[in-house]
Amino acid sequence: SQQGEEDPQALSIQEGENATMNCSYKTSINNLQWYRQNSGRGLVHLILIRSNEREKHSGRLRVTLDTSKKSSSLLITASRAADTASYFCATDAYGYGNKLVFGAGTILRVKS
Amino acid sequence: NAGVMQNPRHLVRRRGQEARLRCSPMKGHSHVYWYRQLPEEGLKFMVYLQKENIIDESGMPKERFSAEFPKEGPSILRIQQVVRGDSAAYFCASSPREGPRNYGYTFGSGTRLTVV
Repeated sequence: SQQGEEDPQALSIQEGENATMNCSYKTSINNLQWYRQNSGRGLVHLILIRSNEREKHSGRLRVTLDTSKKSSSLLITASRAADTASYFCATDAYGYGNKLVFGAGTILRVKS
Repeated sequence: NAGVMQNPRHLVRRRGQEARLRCSPMKGHSHVYWYRQLPEEGLKFMVYLQKENIIDESGMPKERFSAEFPKEGPSILRIQQVVRGDSAAYFCASSPREGPRNYGYTFGSGTRLTVV
């Protein structure tokens, strides 16, 4: 089964609201990364959080990591219509080799 | 720096034909990864290569699929005798020498393969 699983599968919010997406994983990790994919495009790297970090910020993005619960969350504050995309977490996990394993993603729709 | 270049963007093949997908990594990146994405799904790992070496092909079907990353030129993902189930988006990503331990991937725009 996949290393990372996101929830919710889909999220629809109004512009200006905050969006929170969660990711759970199964094994110990070196780091966890979040990516965005606009429809029909490749993935864009957003942020990397290491296993010894608990929180990281980048602009309107805030990522938390709880290694005891094997979970992470991505918060997008003051969302914009341009944030409409799919968001994936990916783990660099021990025992999976030097590669990332992706979850199934959360589809975020921001209505203007 | 043009980033990761994939071509073609769209590829249509009849059942039984061969599909060749190309990927030129970002300048300075020595690791190449291929992933497959079915509609409405996440990315499934296929193969990880460095120049002239296949490091991990655990996600690649044993039959009909092959990949290479020669000393000169792009990485090639080759699918022989394509079937309808091969229809998907195929993404290539590259990373610096240290791989995902310290860096994120840079993805190409993908090749959308349609088998008719």
